[in-house]
Amino acid sequence: AQTVTQSQPEMSVQEAETVTLSCTYDTSESDYYLFWYKQPPSRQMILVIRQEAYKQQNATENRFSVNFQKAAKSFSLKISDSQLGDAAMYFCAYLKSGGSNYKLTFGKGTLLTVNP
Amino acid sequence: KAGVTQTPRYLIKTRGQQVTLSCSPISGHRSVSWYQQTPGQGLQFLFEYFSETQRNKGNFPGRFSGRQFSNSRSEMNVSTLELGDSALYLCASSYSGGLNTGELFFGEGSRLTVL
Repeated sequence: AQTVTQSQPEMSVQEAETVTLSCTYDTSESDYYLFWYKQPPSRQMILVIRQEAYKQQNATENRFSVNFQKAAKSFSLKISDSQLGDAAMYFCAYLKSGGSNYKLTFGKGTLLTVNP
Repeated sequence: KAGVTQTPRYLIKTRGQQVTLSCSPISGHRSVSWYQQTPGQGLQFLFEYFSETQRNKGNFPGRFSGRQFSNSRSEMNVSTLELGDSALYLCASSYSGGLNTGELFFGEGSRLTVL
């Protein structure tokens, strides 16, 4: 079974600084997707960034970027120029590729605090 | 475009009772998934429905069930409630018009407390 591990229960960063959240996963599949979801205190989760395993290029979305190391099964999220609104719980998630498979496996989450 | 709507937002039940939670997906979305979120276990997949059919199922006992209606709205039911069922239940919808790319749109959740 696939597992996703986030080894940092909590992280903090100063406003405008850069922070990296770690995620490792275990799978025997070669084709899959990885995600970072953000859950602010209001609880509605939103997708931050997505990476297809077959793509070597790391995904980037504005201030958010990932470092995807397929061989090491590592998928970290870098937040640049951190803002107060980035404070949230961040979840790393895995999805086996396949048209009818919608079961995401989530890590336990990392609570990010942004200090002014 | 309205987001995913879950009702009720909060509810309190006692052990042994049953509960029904409702989820209205984003208009045009045909896939609805349910997740249980607890501090200890994190986010765990319950099940996923598409066109009124359960396509995927997680590792939960039979007390947890769900269904989807022709308008894509979904309900989940938990019977014979236990203290451990206290959790935030999240619903997520997805278009599912083609190959699943995993982008889910979540509701704000239903917070269930079992006393």
